[in-house]
Amino acid sequence: KAGVTQTPRYLIKTRGQQVTLSCSPISGHRSVSWYQQTPGQGLQFLFEYFSETQRNKGNFPGRFSGRQFSNSRSEMNVSTLELGDSALYLCASSPSGTGTFYGYTFGSGTRLTVV
Amino acid sequence: AQSVTQLDSHVSVSEGTPVLLRCNYSSSYSPSLFWYVQHPNKGLQLLLKYTSAATLVKGINGFEAEFKKSETSFHLTKPSAHMSDAAEYFCVVNYGGATNKLIFGTGTLLAVQP
Repeated sequence: KAGVTQTPRYLIKTRGQQVTLSCSPISGHRSVSWYQQTPGQGLQFLFEYFSETQRNKGNFPGRFSGRQFSNSRSEMNVSTLELGDSALYLCASSPSGTGTFYGYTFGSGTRLTVV
Repeated sequence: AQSVTQLDSHVSVSEGTPVLLRCNYSSSYSPSLFWYVQHPNKGLQLLLKYTSAATLVKGINGFEAEFKKSETSFHLTKPSAHMSDAAEYFCVVNYGGATNKLIFGTGTLLAVQP
């Protein structure tokens, strides 16, 4: 069974550009969440999608957005990149609506560097 | 506010000795609790989870954790450390309900000395 697949693995962008990251969840998983990991702030929740609807959103500016497609694949977009957006972006999927009983399976992440 | 506290940012043990990584959570009710491990330049791997069943939870690679509601703790232990256990460990809480998101502790970096 394939795990959570994130593409690309590494990305270098210039300040002011925008970027789109992709996440393919485990087959059958309908909940997809995104997290940002930085040395200073640790792991922070960005947003969660379930059945193409955003159910929860963390405390990030509107430059961070996402969506989920009918096949549960998800994308997140960051517009007008800032140096502080450099981070490891992790996607997690869960089979259930709440994730309470199954936990989340994480992908290997996309490391974004903004220069 | 909902939070999770990992009491040690770094723990160093010798190979073959026990491991104890401490975690406390704040809660007005019992959340779901998890321990994840992250090896360098890798994603997060689930070690074990507590979801209001048995209070002593066994996970992969010989790790286990005990949920103690009276102490709001969920400490991770392993009887005998192996060199391959060197990694960063995260205690994670999911309160579910309207706030279905994981809240991560700040992580404990485990070093295993030969």
